Amino acid sequence: QKEVEQNSGPLSVPEGAIASLNCTYSDRVSQSFFWYRQYSGKSPELIMSIYSNGDKEDGRFTAQLNKASQYVSLLIRDSQPSDSATYLCAAGGYQKVTFGTGTKLQVIP
Amino acid sequence: KAGVTQTPRYLIKTRGQQVTLSCSPISGHRSVSWYQQTPGQGLQFLFEYFSETQRNKGNFPGRFSGRQFSNSRSEMNVSTLELGDSALYLCASRVGLALGLGSYEQYFGPGTRLTVT
Repeated sequence: QKEVEQNSGPLSVPEGAIASLNCTYSDRVSQSFFWYRQYSGKSPELIMSIYSNGDKEDGRFTAQLNKASQYVSLLIRDSQPSDSATYLCAAGGYQKVTFGTGTKLQVIP
Repeated sequence: KAGVTQTPRYLIKTRGQQVTLSCSPISGHRSVSWYQQTPGQGLQFLFEYFSETQRNKGNFPGRFSGRQFSNSRSEMNVSTLELGDSALYLCASRVGLALGLGSYEQYFGPGTRLTVT
């Protein structure tokens, strides 16, 4: 079982819709959770960090964490074609950071 | 504050050669991790250094090695290059170990794209 799992996609959503990206993790030691956005041919960019249960909002992005279910999600409201990228989920704990394989998001104009 | 820098950005090598890649972390960051990324493979963790010591290691052959200097700059070396080593090599830095939840926030450099022919 992979430590951090994501659906590889692609996830296709129409422009203006809400994109919902999901991630599960297996190690209960994990304390910190991150979402990275990676455009094709570029390096990952940190877009959200979340450490406690509940929601954290930043502009059009909302990260959700449920430690009991070991589940992290990222919601992108009013999706734009510029949001088309691969989104990587990461979990930090016990002195290491583990990445999922990423979900490819396609926003259709 | 300057971001993570990596040199060189692009590199073409021949099979059997060796290569050294360099990474300078964000000022104040003491941990440096290296990743390999190939199309469709996701980020593959190579190793992490903190205070000049390797703290974590992924499942890569011994041809892949690294080191960290006292100023936190890091290098990784790949010896006896194989065609399959062609990839984007990413370096990421973070504050360090056991410094709170935020210490796990990693910031990536632009990467070095290595092509082995």
